[in-house]
Amino acid sequence: EAQVTQNPRYLITVTGKKLTVTCSQNMNHEYMSWYRQDPGLGLRQIYYSMNVEVTDKGDVPEGYKVSRKEKRNFPLILESPSPNQTSLYFCASSLAETSYEQYFGPGTRLTVT
Amino acid sequence: TQLLEQSPQFLSIQEGENLTVYCNSSSVFSSLQWYRQEPGEGPVLLVTVVTGGEVKKLKRLTFQFGDARKDSSLHITAAQTGDTGLYLCAGANQAGTALIFGKGTTLSVSS
Repeated sequence: EAQVTQNPRYLITVTGKKLTVTCSQNMNHEYMSWYRQDPGLGLRQIYYSMNVEVTDKGDVPEGYKVSRKEKRNFPLILESPSPNQTSLYFCASSLAETSYEQYFGPGTRLTVT
Repeated sequence: TQLLEQSPQFLSIQEGENLTVYCNSSSVFSSLQWYRQEPGEGPVLLVTVVTGGEVKKLKRLTFQFGDARKDSSLHITAAQTGDTGLYLCAGANQAGTALIFGKGTTLSVSS
């Protein structure tokens, strides 16, 4: 089944404790991206990757890191999480660039206390 | 910075009513997509419109892309309770690197 998987689905952590949210797709998609969804603000792009080893900042990249060492994986790293990073995070992938259908993962709900 | 203004933010209607959701911008988009999101899930694509003036129909849903490719609308005819959900419009920037989302329209259809 074609899908985007994210882990964990739920995470409660404390300020400053490094964490990684994994994202994997099995559709051989070139484009992958991370979004955060907040009430009243909608979905905002954090980082994106056009292909392996090619990543770039989206609209809200501060406090986040990403890497794209393999085509299928695009982990999101929070080196020192803060409470303002409490949010619902979505990974998405598409065949090529953003005019193609975006396939979203199920989301990761992160709470930083 | 490109922005997409989506309205209304909330819509509560009775089954059988018609409704329209609007998505407006001052920027030109290479394409515009409409997604639907259920609670606890990621958005799922409904349709992509690419050409200015394009109209696409998906059963009771009609999508239109403005002539200048700056705005779009979603019209639902005879809404059903199963249409309840969050509807999101998203525009692809010219470079194809970003998808700019509207803030969404939460639709509630009651019987």
